[in-house]
Amino acid sequence: EIVLTQSPATLSLSPGERATLSCRASQSVSSYLAWYQQKPGQAPRLLIYDASNRATGIPARFSGSGSGTDFTLTISSLEPEDFAVYYCQQRSNWPRTFGHGTKVEIK
Amino acid sequence: QVQLVESGGGVVQPGRSLRLSCAASGFTFSTQGMHWVRQAPDKGLAWVALIWFDGSKKEYADSVKGRFTISRDNSKNTLYLQMDSLRDEDTAVYYCARDYRKGSYFDFWGQGTLVTVSS
Repeated sequence: EIVLTQSPATLSLSPGERATLSCRASQSVSSYLAWYQQKPGQAPRLLIYDASNRATGIPARFSGSGSGTDFTLTISSLEPEDFAVYYCQQRSNWPRTFGHGTKVEIK
Repeated sequence: QVQLVESGGGVVQPGRSLRLSCAASGFTFSTQGMHWVRQAPDKGLAWVALIWFDGSKKEYADSVKGRFTISRDNSKNTLYLQMDSLRDEDTAVYYCARDYRKGSYFDFWGQGTLVTVSS
């Protein structure tokens, strides 16, 4: 099973700042990685798929990069609604696995 | 718009069974694969199972293999998860999610249904 390690566990930032989240895979997943956002009491929402493609309706301030084992989600300028937990997920192998999440909180 | 509505959750004793349902609307259900994903209280996400658009392929997480069965009724636009031999560690919110592309990602999610396994 591919293990995804997200860092940091918590990111404390202010609105307007840039957020950089990391996801590292235990083996190569090529570009087969997605990012999700989850707010308290809500279902997750797909943000990025295949490492760098924004899902429908996702604002341009969200961008993804990386390949192989190292991936990054960048939020260029945090809006109040962006404070949430973010998960990465791989589709390279079965079972599909998620990282443990990075919480982006208001500083 | 795409809607997924789960039902069937509740409190159940260890070793007992429960069946979850997910009613789909707003898209052509019979052409899309579907997943179940769960989230234990205050924990992260864990993929549970996938079923192909026509039911021809199914995949399961090792933790549920042999105990859970995913199925669908395309005439009713409904996805199911039969959960047998439930354990304490199966306690979670269970989400149904639409498959983005051939078992890859999850592009729409329901709001989830809570399953609590407790004596």
